[in-house]
Amino acid sequence: QVQLQESGPGLVKPSQTLSLTCTVSGGSINSGSYYWSWIRQPAGKGLEWIGRIYSSGSTNYNPSLKSRVTISIDASKNQFSLKLSSVTAADTAVYYCARQFSTLPPDYWGQGTLVTVSS
Amino acid sequence: EIVMTQSPATLSVSPGEGATLSCRAGQSVSSNLAWYQQKPGQAPRLLIYGVSARATGIPARFSGSGSGTEFTLTIGSLQSEDFAVYYCQQYNNWPWTFGQGTKVEIK
Repeated sequence: QVQLQESGPGLVKPSQTLSLTCTVSGGSINSGSYYWSWIRQPAGKGLEWIGRIYSSGSTNYNPSLKSRVTISIDASKNQFSLKLSSVTAADTAVYYCARQFSTLPPDYWGQGTLVTVSS
Repeated sequence: EIVMTQSPATLSVSPGEGATLSCRAGQSVSSNLAWYQQKPGQAPRLLIYGVSARATGIPARFSGSGSGTEFTLTIGSLQSEDFAVYYCQQYNNWPWTFGQGTKVEIK
């Protein structure tokens, strides 16, 4: 059974960089045709795709965030990471990592981690 | 990006009754349409993909239909565990986008 777990600081100051890591267990991050995604959800609001990375390292970013986002993969640790720069209060949200197979929507999600942007 | 519009925003249903949720895409998403269920404090759970295919372990009372730009999620005979927020999501065009959600509440 694949499991994903987000980790990282719960509080980030405005203008700084938000950094989160997703640790994958129960399967290799390199196996098969899997994409690994970051999705966020502000409190009481809907879901927004941030971006995704393929096991090869190729990425797709949401154009609305592209200038600030970097997603990377560390196969040796079975992890992938999110960096979001120049954060503001609007970036306060629960951040989820998720796995998708090929062209299908994500079937496995982490439990989510709340990141608050505040001084 | 493709805008997904769900209706109604809130649906009040008595346990044992059925529910029909709608989702409209701003342009055709072919059959690349999924539905998720989300309960408070939990991650979304994939219910339906490819318009009508149930994900692993999803009960048969959940069914999806539609094509192009108009889609429906039908829940037959609601159980207590079905009261939640439901999101549609298109995965035809990047960035993939979600609807704003329909809350199914107990009447």
